[in-house]
Amino acid sequence: NAGVTQTPKFQVLKTGQSMTLQCAQDMNHEYMSWYRQDPGMGLRLIHYSVGAGITDQGEVPNGYNVSRSTTEDFPLRLLSAAPSQTSVYFCASSKLQAESSYEQYFGPGTRLTVT
Amino acid sequence: QQQVKQSPQSLIVQKGGISIINCAYENTAFDYFPWYQQFPGKGPALLIAIRPDVSEKKEGRFTISFNKSAKQFSLHIMDSQPGDSATYFCAASMNTGFQKLVFGTGTRLLVSP
Repeated sequence: NAGVTQTPKFQVLKTGQSMTLQCAQDMNHEYMSWYRQDPGMGLRLIHYSVGAGITDQGEVPNGYNVSRSTTEDFPLRLLSAAPSQTSVYFCASSKLQAESSYEQYFGPGTRLTVT
Repeated sequence: QQQVKQSPQSLIVQKGGISIINCAYENTAFDYFPWYQQFPGKGPALLIAIRPDVSEKKEGRFTISFNKSAKQFSLHIMDSQPGDSATYFCAASMNTGFQKLVFGTGTRLLVSP
């Protein structure tokens, strides 16, 4: 049981380039989400999904796309990278109908630098 | 607009002391308040969580105190240990059937030996 995995761990992009951050989970969780973590700002929700084929925007969705074709995978696409997207990105997953603790399981993160 | 305000930004505590981190929220629709712990280079992990129908929850050395009328909640770490040195995030979410978390800005805790 690998939990939530993310690739790559590190990435450097030039302004205007596009890329996809990969996220996968093997816990059969319905809910998956992407956050970005910036110093002094905590974690901010980018996009989330409550199941295959269903996605919605979070707090800071601009410049990012997502899709959910399977329960296991939830990739995050940067369409045209900008220096403001330099951040650490975390993917998380959880059950939908948890009973007392809606614990979200986080991946190890992807550190992205846009030059 | 920060929906969950967290303080202090950083905290240094002597080994064996009590660490206290505070959070305040504005949205009264929030009904689930977790604390996450994050070590350098790792993703956050759930530490402890509380719902507003109780005023306190304790798990080992970690306690959440919740004040519904003041819209505040806090994390107390008793007998703080160097291994507790990490960044702590409070968060909140509404009962929507899934967890759309709003995080505080984080507190970097250093427990000195």
